[in-house]
Amino acid sequence: DGGITQSPKYLFRKEGQNVTLSCEQNLNHDAMYWYRQDPGQGLRLIYYSQIVNDFQKGDIAEGYSVSREKKESFPLTVTSAQKNPTAFYLCASSISGEGQPQHFGDGTRLSIL
Amino acid sequence: AQSVAQPEDQVNVAEGNPLTVKCTYSVSGNPYLFWYVQYPNRGLQFLLKYITGDNLVKGSYGFEAEFNKSQTSFHLKKPSALVSDSALYFCAVSPPGGSYIPTFGRGTSLIVHP
Repeated sequence: DGGITQSPKYLFRKEGQNVTLSCEQNLNHDAMYWYRQDPGQGLRLIYYSQIVNDFQKGDIAEGYSVSREKKESFPLTVTSAQKNPTAFYLCASSISGEGQPQHFGDGTRLSIL
Repeated sequence: AQSVAQPEDQVNVAEGNPLTVKCTYSVSGNPYLFWYVQYPNRGLQFLLKYITGDNLVKGSYGFEAEFNKSQTSFHLKKPSALVSDSALYFCAVSPPGGSYIPTFGRGTSLIVHP
């Protein structure tokens, strides 16, 4: 079955440490996205990529970095510069173009030790 | 810039009764509108979308949504609620043309009581 796989499901970060969240899709989608979800705040866009080897900052990119070396993979690194990283992180993908719904993974919950 | 408002943080309804989850939007041009559902500790699942055509859109699990251009609304509805419908519901809007990146509302928690 096609879908999006996020790993790990739970992740703990120590102070000053970078951590990388994995996102893999086998839907053959060109576009991929990373969102941060905090209680009562909905989804906020961190980064998105509409094609391999290209990505754009979203609304809250500071303290995060991404790469898009392969169509199926869009890893997110939460750097030590992100001072409040505790959140639920969601990866999504879609067919490029107007009016296309997004398909979501089941998220990674990041906490600070 | 586009925006979405979900005016209710929580909606309570008895099982078997009709439910409505409200959404209003602001966008330049004709919008693309979406509803998603999220169960605890899971990702969002697509329910339905409006692009053009009939103002009443039918989606998954018996849900439907009514597009009202004059009121800039896209309310989610279901004729008879189930306890299993209890979840977090998100409305999203994306503009025509451009980057087509959607903006999500803050979500509405639907609680269906037995």
